[in-house]
Amino acid sequence: EAGVTQFPSHSVIEKGQTVTLRCDPISGHDNLYWYRRVMGKEIKFLLHFVKESKQDESGMPNNRFLAERTGGTYSTLKVQPAELEDSGVYFCASSPTRDRASPLHFGNGTRLTVT
Amino acid sequence: AQSVTQLGSHVSVSEGALVLLRCNYSSSVPPYLFWYVQYPNQGLQLLLKYTTGATLVKGINGFEAEFKKSETSFHLTKPSAHMSDAAEYFCAVSGLTSGGSYIPTFGRGTSLIVHP
Repeated sequence: EAGVTQFPSHSVIEKGQTVTLRCDPISGHDNLYWYRRVMGKEIKFLLHFVKESKQDESGMPNNRFLAERTGGTYSTLKVQPAELEDSGVYFCASSPTRDRASPLHFGNGTRLTVT
Repeated sequence: AQSVTQLGSHVSVSEGALVLLRCNYSSSVPPYLFWYVQYPNQGLQLLLKYTTGATLVKGINGFEAEFKKSETSFHLTKPSAHMSDAAEYFCAVSGLTSGGSYIPTFGRGTSLIVHP
């Protein structure tokens, strides 16, 4: 099966610009997660979709971040306007169930640099 | 609430030596624990997990971890390091977010460096 795919792999933008990250989960995985890792720190949870619905967005840092999952397939994460502190690696992950024991399948991440 | 502390941001070993990566957790409920590995330019992949039952858990590539409730630890070991083990390793504990999702909470990661 194809894994979780993220695009682009790298993005460099200026402060104040807009960037949209895309994630294609494993086919059939209803659960989709976004995480972010700022350099040298923890991988932090941003939000969780179940199909097209936002189950939990308690980790979203502020209203400059907007996530969507139209039709319950791929997801996008938009940052508008970007700030310097938004730099980091954004990971997407998916899983077939919400079971606590179910591991997540991760994409390779998008490295975002805001200058 | 739950949290993970990984002691040592970098661990350096010689090829063939024992690998020991430390993880301590905090959890308000019986923990479900995971180790993930990230190779360069790749995503995280599951090494092993503990949910219930046997406290010594075996994973891929010869790694294993032991759940010790009394020490709130879940250290990762491998008897003999291989050059291909060089990667970043993340310990995680599954917990409930304020929004009602069970998601893994990760530590800061430990980079394993293997010398020939």
